[in-house]
Amino acid sequence: ELKVEQNPLFLSMQEGKNYTIYCNYSTTSDRLYWYRQDPGKSLESLFVLLSNGAVKQEGRLMASLDTKARLSTLHITAAVHDLSATYFCAVNAGGGADGLTFGKGTHLIIQP
Amino acid sequence: NAGVTQTPKFQVLKTGQSMTLQCAQDMNHNSMYWYRQDPGMGLRLIYYSASEGTTDKGEVPNGYNVSRLNKREFSLRLESAAPSQTSVYFCASRQGAGYTFGSGTRLTVV
Repeated sequence: ELKVEQNPLFLSMQEGKNYTIYCNYSTTSDRLYWYRQDPGKSLESLFVLLSNGAVKQEGRLMASLDTKARLSTLHITAAVHDLSATYFCAVNAGGGADGLTFGKGTHLIIQP
Repeated sequence: NAGVTQTPKFQVLKTGQSMTLQCAQDMNHNSMYWYRQDPGMGLRLIYYSASEGTTDKGEVPNGYNVSRLNKREFSLRLESAAPSQTSVYFCASRQGAGYTFGSGTRLTVV
């Protein structure tokens, strides 16, 4: 059974600081996703990582994937208040099954 | 281009009532999914459909049924709603590696 663990689950940080969210998964997978969710809203796709060593950046967010370690990171650089949200990583089920298995999410609050 | 459309957006049911959540996509995607989201639990897969005419169980299928009516539409039915089914339900579709999520249905069962 595929398990996806994120940490931390809650993070309060100050504007201008850097921080990293970690996503570990338990079985081999070839796709890892990062999503953002604002309160009461749907999921917004941030990154899709398809191969070992993949690194993608968009603004102050950078995601990377290490398939050998079964680890992805979402790094926030010089955080700003607008990045406050809940961030989810998700992994495709694989093994003949379809759909994504999600982590529990990281609730990020960025304070001025 | 509407993407994935879910109806209704909000619903309150009494225990034992039935209802169908509707989902339609206009992107010609083959695969469609139903997830539920509970506080602190992330999203969990209920059912999915890899193509028209096929459906498969996900992680939490008990208490639900689905119908892939055609390529565009994938509905989720609660035959006898229970308070444990209070949740936010998201429909999604996929083509290739990209998923598109609907805006969600917030369901409360009292």
